[in-house]
Amino acid sequence: DAMVIQNPRYQVTQFGKPVTLSCSQTLNHNVMYWYQQKSSQAPKLLFHYYDKDFNNEADTPDNFQSRRPNTSFCFLDIRSPGLGDAAMYLCATSSPGTGYGYTFGSGTRLTVV
Amino acid sequence: GIQVEQSPPDLILQEGANSTLRCNFSDSVNNLQWFHQNPWGQLINLFYIPSGTKQNGRLSATTVATERYSLLYISSSQTTDSGVYFCAVERYNFNKFYFGSGTKLNVKP
Repeated sequence: DAMVIQNPRYQVTQFGKPVTLSCSQTLNHNVMYWYQQKSSQAPKLLFHYYDKDFNNEADTPDNFQSRRPNTSFCFLDIRSPGLGDAAMYLCATSSPGTGYGYTFGSGTRLTVV
Repeated sequence: GIQVEQSPPDLILQEGANSTLRCNFSDSVNNLQWFHQNPWGQLINLFYIPSGTKQNGRLSATTVATERYSLLYISSSQTTDSGVYFCAVERYNFNKFYFGSGTKLNVKP
């Protein structure tokens, strides 16, 4: 089945140690998104790629960066994780104009120790 | 940005009861989806419903785009319906999804 896959499901990283989360899709959607969700809160958009065009939200910390080497893959890099970055990170895809809406991956739960 | 408000914030039901969740939004949208977030954190798409009415088993949804609201109906609730229900909207040409704060549903046996 076509889907959005996030790896790993759980990630533990040390304070200040760079970490990369990955997302892949088999839907061939041209837009990919990264959301951050903290406990008991709604998901918050960090940034998205429309094809190769990168779009950063104004309030996304500089500590967060993203790469999209091809249509299928997108990475979230956290350069120096702090305790406040512990959260669920959700990847989503969409194909505007097709009427299929957004599809989310199962998320990566990040713990910072 | 667009404002998305969901009500009620919390809901406790006895198994078998019916419920209605509401989503109000502050601007015209070209996409509206209802999601159920399961205990493991995954967002499960329930409905893609920018307008009109759809039904899927015990769940149905109605969006009245001109009045800027959407309703999610859950009938004969089951304990497996527990979790958080999110409404999310996308404005025309913005390619961004904005989430409401969610309704936390607890269905008791």
